Amino acid sequence: GEDVEQSLFLSVREGDSSVINCTYTDSSSTYLYWYKQEPGAGLQLLTYIFSNMDMKQDQRLTVLLNKKDKHLSLRIADTQTGDSAIYFCAESPNSSNTGKLIFGQGTTLQVKP
Amino acid sequence: GAGVSQSPSNKVTEKGKDVELRCDPISGHTALYWYRQSLGQGLEFLIYFQGNSAPDKSGLPSDRFSAERTGGSVSTLTIQRTQQEDSAVYLCASSLWGNTIYFGEGSWLTVV
Repeated sequence: GEDVEQSLFLSVREGDSSVINCTYTDSSSTYLYWYKQEPGAGLQLLTYIFSNMDMKQDQRLTVLLNKKDKHLSLRIADTQTGDSAIYFCAESPNSSNTGKLIFGQGTTLQVKP
Repeated sequence: GAGVSQSPSNKVTEKGKDVELRCDPISGHTALYWYRQSLGQGLEFLIYFQGNSAPDKSGLPSDRFSAERTGGSVSTLTIQRTQQEDSAVYLCASSLWGNTIYFGEGSWLTVV
């Protein structure tokens, strides 16, 4: 079945790198996404990666995709207190044929000053 | 508009009342989604509209939930005879042909 798994919590010190990991089950997923949710707010699309790529970099964000292991990670360089939020990994299974997203439970990132 | 717009941003209603939640997608986006986010349940897909095709209603939790999309743009999610377990954040999203999907700020529903 379709399932996306993430660890629930990560704590880092300001200035360190953060790595948030995600595993997914549907190998047919065309796109994989990272969303950020700050308290009381909606979901902000951070970045996405197409399934035929293995890495994407966007400023402080690096996404790594291992299709063989169905593993996705988000690395945030020089983590800031403003990066404190919940980060959701999501896949878009081709089997759904609709672009419907399957989300992980979210990883709460706590950045300590 | 510049982003997905939802209203109301907050709604408190009495158990048994009907509520309507509105979503204005990003102009030109053909696909529109409703998701629900509740404590302990994560993000749950409700319904999907794409152009003039029949909507995918497979995520609607009961027949008390319905949604319309008029003129291929604005959508309304209606919950009839609300129950306390309907309390959640209702998130609308839109996309162009289903790839990059953008979310609104959500409508926070509390049923008392």
